[in-house]
Amino acid sequence: GAVVSQHPSRVICKSGTSVKIECRSLDFQATTMFWYRQFPKQSLMLMATSNEGSKATYEQGVEKDKFLINHASLTLSTLTVTSAHPEDSSFYICSTTGSGYGYTFGSGTRLTVV
Amino acid sequence: GIQVEQSPPDLILQEGANSTLRCNFSDSVNNLQWFHQNPWGQLINLFYIPSGTKQNGRLSATTVATERYSLLYISSSQTTDSGVYFCAPRGNQGGKLIFGQGTELSVKP
Repeated sequence: GAVVSQHPSRVICKSGTSVKIECRSLDFQATTMFWYRQFPKQSLMLMATSNEGSKATYEQGVEKDKFLINHASLTLSTLTVTSAHPEDSSFYICSTTGSGYGYTFGSGTRLTVV
Repeated sequence: GIQVEQSPPDLILQEGANSTLRCNFSDSVNNLQWFHQNPWGQLINLFYIPSGTKQNGRLSATTVATERYSLLYISSSQTTDSGVYFCAPRGNQGGKLIFGQGTELSVKP
């Protein structure tokens, strides 16, 4: 089946620093990547949709200058949380279609900002 | 946008029991998926079921699109079924999946 590799799985960073999360499709081309955020005991909230080679589309209320998304190739999309604050601590998950198996999700990144 | 309501929010089962999870949605959909999020956070795609009935082992799902609901059946539950089950429809207007709040299932040995 299709696999989306997401790294890192867990990261702790200091307040004010930036963190990059990578999602890589291993055996298919991911033209579109969806980025979600999930707070504890809550559902997944779509943050943005990125398409290879073009600017990401952000959902209402999501700061595009804070959550930088790059989708420069058909197999790699990155989310950079800039100037992280404790309230950015969350579980971030990427997802893509195009594999022929519906939506495929990365394993998630648990970000803790201290 | 589409509103999604899942019930029950929490469910505790004894191993071997059966259960039915429900998902109501407020608008027409062209896609509906059920996912299982395990205790480590990994989301697994269970069913793509915009309409009709599908079965996969102990799990089956039915979507009645005209009445705007979907059901997920779990039979002979096992402890490994524990986790959160999400229903995620996609409206006819756009390509985004909208996740419900989930049903948190705990299966006790």
